[in-house]
Amino acid sequence: GQNIDQPTEMTATEGAIVQINCTYQTSGFNGLFWYQQHAGEAPTFLSYNVLDGLEEKGRFSSFLSRSKGYSYLLLKELQMKDSASYLCAVRPNAGNMLTFGGGTRLMVKP
Amino acid sequence: GAGVSQSPSNKVTEKGKDVELRCDPISGHTALYWYRQSLGQGLEFLIYFQGNSAPDKSGLPSDRFSAERTGGSVSTLTIQRTQQEDSAVYLCASSLASSGGSYEQYFGPGTRLTVT
Repeated sequence: GQNIDQPTEMTATEGAIVQINCTYQTSGFNGLFWYQQHAGEAPTFLSYNVLDGLEEKGRFSSFLSRSKGYSYLLLKELQMKDSASYLCAVRPNAGNMLTFGGGTRLMVKP
Repeated sequence: GAGVSQSPSNKVTEKGKDVELRCDPISGHTALYWYRQSLGQGLEFLIYFQGNSAPDKSGLPSDRFSAERTGGSVSTLTIQRTQQEDSAVYLCASSLASSGGSYEQYFGPGTRLTVT
């Protein structure tokens, strides 16, 4: 079976840094994705990791440890517009179907 | 169009009726996916199409659900004899390929289905 866990909700302050964790247990592993989803909108792609280590893209970074089945998304210099749900998704096999976690709802406060 | 489009944006139907949801993927994208998202939940994979290959239907929750993709482009998801538990947002996504790599999936705005 596939199991992806992430916290349900997090709160952080504007200008701060927040780390959203994701742990996974899947039948296989062929990449991990992070998506952002604002309320009532479609998910949009943030990052992709397939090898261990940190991928940085502007204010957002994503880390992967395959041996630990663990990833995190790091958001720096938080802005109010970063209030959204952040979805962790694993691609278990060579096909491109994604298995999603339940999402983490991030609330950024002034 | 520039992105994935879906229609209708909202659909309210009575229990027991059939519904059809439509997805227009990004032009040139060979892979197309259907997911559903219940209130406050993550995305649940339903089915995906890659080119002319047989679709992966492993996520369809029951035989009331079916999907087609005509001409390698537009897709229709059909739910027969709808039940209240079918109420959810149905999201379509497309990508350039379906065999590894960083081929991100681009999502449409979704169809919000409410079964009364």
